[in-house]
Amino acid sequence: AQSVTQPDIHITVSEGASLELRCNYSYGATPYLFWYVQSPGQGLQLLLKYFSGDTLVQGIKGFEAEFKRSQSSFNLRKPSVHWSDAAEYFCAVGAMGRDDKIIFGKGTRLHILP
Amino acid sequence: DAGVTQSPTHLIKTRGQQVTLRCSPISGHKSVSWYQQVLGQGPQFIFQYYEKEERGRGNFPDRFSARQFPNYSSELNVNALLLGDSALYLCASSLAVGSSYEQYFGPGTRLTVT
Repeated sequence: AQSVTQPDIHITVSEGASLELRCNYSYGATPYLFWYVQSPGQGLQLLLKYFSGDTLVQGIKGFEAEFKRSQSSFNLRKPSVHWSDAAEYFCAVGAMGRDDKIIFGKGTRLHILP
Repeated sequence: DAGVTQSPTHLIKTRGQQVTLRCSPISGHKSVSWYQQVLGQGPQFIFQYYEKEERGRGNFPDRFSARQFPNYSSELNVNALLLGDSALYLCASSLAVGSSYEQYFGPGTRLTVT
């Protein structure tokens, strides 16, 4: 069965520091992979997605993610975080069936220290 | 351009009651999906509708039902509410069916069952 694991429930980094959020997935074939961000009172916003091709994907707000098939990972990175990046981050996999169901991880809450 | 809109924003119901949540997709989008997000968890897929037909259903009991109207708006109905139905209900719309089409999420309806 498809699943997504985000091993870190909370992560705290200082403003200006680099960030890496971990994500591992379980899927039988090459998956569609996503990272979403959710701020309080907001819906989910797509940061970036991987379907095929270059394994290093650039997204919005300065985020990037790297697909590593051998490790079944799709980690999210940002070289320098801003206070406005504090939010909940969800890694997700798209099931390629009759529907477009997205399977989400449990999320990682990012806290930023001033 | 207006994004995905959902109503109401918040709702409080009593166990055993019935509730209807509404979603208006982005103009031109023909697919609507519903997700349930329990506190501390990632969203879980409930339904997807495309051109008024159900394309997919997640692992939810028959108390959950939905429909899509000719204008592509959608309603999610939940009967015989349980305490465990308390959650944020998210609606997402996309242009069509296919995982390559980005799903745009609304801000959600917060349902509290007492």
